[in-house]
Amino acid sequence: QVQLVQSGAEVKKPGASVKVSCKASGYTFTTFGISWVRQAPGQGLEWMGWISAYSDNKNPAQNFQGRVTMTTDTSTRTAYMELKSLRSDDTAIYYCARDVKGMGNFDYWGQGTLVTVSS
Amino acid sequence: DIQMTQSPSSLSASVGDRVTITCRASQGISSHLNWYQQKPGKAPNLLIYAASSLQSGVPSRFSGSGSGTDFTLIISSLQPEDFASYYCQQSYTTPRTFGQGTKVEIK
Repeated sequence: QVQLVQSGAEVKKPGASVKVSCKASGYTFTTFGISWVRQAPGQGLEWMGWISAYSDNKNPAQNFQGRVTMTTDTSTRTAYMELKSLRSDDTAIYYCARDVKGMGNFDYWGQGTLVTVSS
Repeated sequence: DIQMTQSPSSLSASVGDRVTITCRASQGISSHLNWYQQKPGKAPNLLIYAASSLQSGVPSRFSGSGSGTDFTLIISSLQPEDFASYYCQQSYTTPRTFGQGTKVEIK
């Protein structure tokens, strides 16, 4: 069965960086993309960007350009999202989601990674 | 960016009720509209894609309709496991944007 398993919770200080991993199984990794979505405590969902696992294409959201780096490692079937220059309002649960050919339909999700930014 | 507006923000309903949630896009998005259910402490779950297509494994009491700017999610007979938050999301263009959510609570 399709599974996306994310790395564990992180606590970071303002100004630091965090890198979240998302390991895929149960499907051909290189035929789909991965989107990253975050959810601040008690808030709604915010799309951060998409990366292809089958080409060099990626599309970070304007709100995060310059701060977010999305990568994939096809040898380990893992996607990564690194967010730099963390602020307190980056405290959120970060989700990876399988994105069907970058079409924006998120049919499988990771369990989420809580990133807490606090001094 | 395309703004997605859901209504209501919350509702109280009883088991067996018919529940309707609406979603309006700030510009036309054809049928590029998805619906997700999210339970507390869990990741969202895709219910409906392309406005009206039921995702595999989702009960048939869920249905979606609409095109252009106005969309509807209907739960025909609310079940105990349906008490959750529901989000619409446009897949017409990037950035992908979500509605603010509708929380369905027990009356």
